[in-house]
Formats: sequence, structure tokens, C-alpha cells
Amino acid sequence: SAVISQKPSRDICQRGTSLTIQCQVDSQVTMMFWYRQQPGQSLTLIATANQGSEATYESGFVIDKFPISRPNLTFSTLTVSNMSPEDSSIYLCSVALTGTDTQYFGPGTRLTVL
Amino acid sequence: RKEVEQDPGPFNVPEGATVAFNCTYSNSASQSFFWYRQDCRKEPKLLMSVYSSGNEDGRFTAQLNRASQYISLLIRDSKLSDSATYLCVVNRSGGYNKLIFGAGTRLAVHP
Repeated sequence: SAVISQKPSRDICQRGTSLTIQCQVDSQVTMMFWYRQQPGQSLTLIATANQGSEATYESGFVIDKFPISRPNLTFSTLTVSNMSPEDSSIYLCSVALTGTDTQYFGPGTRLTVL
Repeated sequence: RKEVEQDPGPFNVPEGATVAFNCTYSNSASQSFFWYRQDCRKEPKLLMSVYSSGNEDGRFTAQLNRASQYISLLIRDSKLSDSATYLCVVNRSGGYNKLIFGAGTRLAVHP
């Protein structure tokens, strides 16, 4: 497996502001992903973070709202832009090791928007 | 219809009980299947992958029935520490590494 860290672990933000979440993995991985888990719900994939190119977004998620960067094989960021209370959620990054389709998750970032 | 459906739970069982969770998936072309465990306020952790031949890991047994598009997880001799939400997860096919999560089944093991 891989060791994945996320920063911040939690934050409370004001409506209309933006928050950037960082995900760092201890080894070079092929695939990195960002998920959202809303209160009482299961996980929903936001996008696949592609190294050196634009992220691939799932239906219902757009780059203007959730810009993603992946400058190298071990690091990615997700920004939640122009936040509203509906964005209150846990945001998790995950990685799939090269040659596998098993994903491992970071500890998550708990976001509360007031 | 959701792409991955699970028993809603919660399952409340005494220590030592055997409990089974079921899961169905709608995409017949799905290739990979997993059970994840998620503790309260924690990230999901891989419990086990599920293979066509079935697989066992200690007290946990997973089965896959491709014809019925059905996945199961059996936990024997339940422990208090097994209390968690169990997520049935399916990987869409076609070389596109996308996990689809079921809503999860909550298990509470009591003394």
C-alpha cells in the first residue's frame, strides 16, 4: 500500500472563500483521485488528477468549481472555490499503485462552510 | 436504480455471531470488486478484493457471482472491533479506473 497524507485535516471556512487541499503520497503512483463524502453518504468521485494535464471530471463536477493540479507523481491539490454551505463535506484523495486497480485513501479533509 | 446497492443495515449482532452482507451491481461489464471498511470519521480502508473463485482472509469470506451480479461478505465470530460501515465497491470496466461505492452497511457488534 501507500502512505498518503492530506492537509489540512479540517477547516471551517466562510461562504464565498476558497480552500486548497493538498494530497501527498510517499511513492510515485500512476493514478490519483479526489472524492467527496457528504454527511451520511457514501463516496462520490469528483475527478481523476492527471499528471501534467487537465483533470478528468465526473458528471456534476466542473473545473471552475473544483480546480485540480498534479504537478508530479506524488502530489496533487484540490481547490473548492467560492464555497457555500452545500460544500460542507469530507474530501478524500486516493491513489492506485502502478499496475493495480486497488485504491488507497488519504485520511480526508473535513470541511465546514458557514 | 443505483449502480451498486447494498443491504441498508444497521446490523446489530452479538459478539461471536456470523453476519453476511449482500451487494448487487448493475454494470455487467464491471471487472473488479472490493469490500472496504470505514470507521466513524475515518477514511475507507481496503478490507479485501473479491475474486470469482471466492476468497477468504481469516474470519472474512468474500464471494462473487458474476451471473447474478452479486457480491457477498461473510464475517464469522464477530468481534467488537468489527463494528464499522462496510462498503461494497465496484470498478467500472474498460481500463477506466473508477470506483463506484455502495451506500454502505453499518455493523454494530455488542457484548
